[in-house]
Amino acid sequence: RKEVEQDPGPFNVPEGATVAFNCTYSNSASQSFFWYRQDCRKEPKLLMSVYSSGNEDGRFTAQLNRASQYISLLIRDSKLSDSATYLCVVNRLVGSQGNLIFGKGTKLSVKP
Amino acid sequence: ETGVTQTPRHLVMGMTNKKSLKCEQHLGHNAMYWYKQSAKKPLELMFVYNFKEQTENNSVPSRFSPECPNSSHLFLHLHTLQPEDSALYLCASSQASWGSTGELFFGEGSRLTVL
Repeated sequence: RKEVEQDPGPFNVPEGATVAFNCTYSNSASQSFFWYRQDCRKEPKLLMSVYSSGNEDGRFTAQLNRASQYISLLIRDSKLSDSATYLCVVNRLVGSQGNLIFGKGTKLSVKP
Repeated sequence: ETGVTQTPRHLVMGMTNKKSLKCEQHLGHNAMYWYKQSAKKPLELMFVYNFKEQTENNSVPSRFSPECPNSSHLFLHLHTLQPEDSALYLCASSQASWGSTGELFFGEGSRLTVL
């Protein structure tokens, strides 16, 4: 089983739609969780951290379920500019060193 | 000035060539990383340097050789590569080892093609 698994995608949605991405991680020693965004032919950038209590940033809501080892990202009122690949990232501590493990990403395409 | 700069942006090389990728960060960070991104695969960590010391070598073949002369510069020396090494090589930096905030700042990458 891969350490970080995401929905295969691609997700093709109309503008204004609500879309949800799921991610599971296999290592229960994982400590921190993040969503990164990567635009086509660009570098990944941090979108938001994911906190145990869930957190919201504008139209974006991230949730974590440690018991199920599951992370989600909800995007409301999708915009054309949300089109990108969304990477689920898990920080797993190995001794005193953290390792950021990336999922393959889920591609989102928002259409007019 | 962008935070993390990589050169060259594109590189085509033969299997017998020797080339180097360069990365420079202007963010005052102490940790720098090399990642490999291949089509349909997740980002793969290659090397980590923390305060100029290599703290991770993720089972990378010896035909890839990193060098970190100071906290702002990172190189990836390439020699006798294979066609399967063709990929996007991303450099990143962070405040210190990423255990804390998880925020990496990536460069735009060097797209490598090995013929």
